[in-house]
Amino acid sequence: DAGITQSPRYKITETGRQVTLMCHQTWSHSYMFWYRQDLGHGLRLIYYSAAADITDKGEVPDGYVVSRSKTENFPLTLESATRSQTSVYFCASSEPGANQPQHFGDGTRLSIL
Amino acid sequence: AQTVTQSQPEMSVQEAETVTLSCTYDTSESNYYLFWYKQPPSRQMILVIRQEAYKQQNATENRFSVNFQKAAKSFSLKISDSQLGDTAMYFCAFMKPYGQNFVFGPGTRLSVLP
Repeated sequence: DAGITQSPRYKITETGRQVTLMCHQTWSHSYMFWYRQDLGHGLRLIYYSAAADITDKGEVPDGYVVSRSKTENFPLTLESATRSQTSVYFCASSEPGANQPQHFGDGTRLSIL
Repeated sequence: AQTVTQSQPEMSVQEAETVTLSCTYDTSESNYYLFWYKQPPSRQMILVIRQEAYKQQNATENRFSVNFQKAAKSFSLKISDSQLGDTAMYFCAFMKPYGQNFVFGPGTRLSVLP
């Protein structure tokens, strides 16, 4: 089925470890986004991508790395996880153009011990 | 930078009643887009309704409608005939006209009581 898939759905890791969250969409949307959701903050943008090989920082990019070698994939890597990165992470995609809504994956709950 | 405020962290409403969730935003843009998303306990983010700032008519989608007051920078969501399935977090979001990025508010947790 068409859609946007995130994996894993849940992940527990330790501080200092590298962890990669995966995001795959089947709509061929050009834009993709990574957000983190924390209580009291809503969703905050980490990184976004306008097309393959084009990425840019959002509001809270420190400690995260992204890549987009193919239009359909947009992985997010925490190179050395810290407890402050414990959060729920959402990937989203959208068509370019005004008034285009973002379509979200089901999120990854990441706990860093 | 744009900011979005939702001043009601939690609300409750009786089933079949009407409830209004508030959202205000700060921007110097004259044209922009506003959205309401719903996040039920399943954690999905579901688009509820959207509004274009240059349109004066308030958007409606079935039981959901907005009260858009551009001068006041206010974008409230009204839910009529509330149903148990409306229990969720509701997020207001702002989008600039020339960018795809959303700015989200902190959310309002709505509980519909039987």
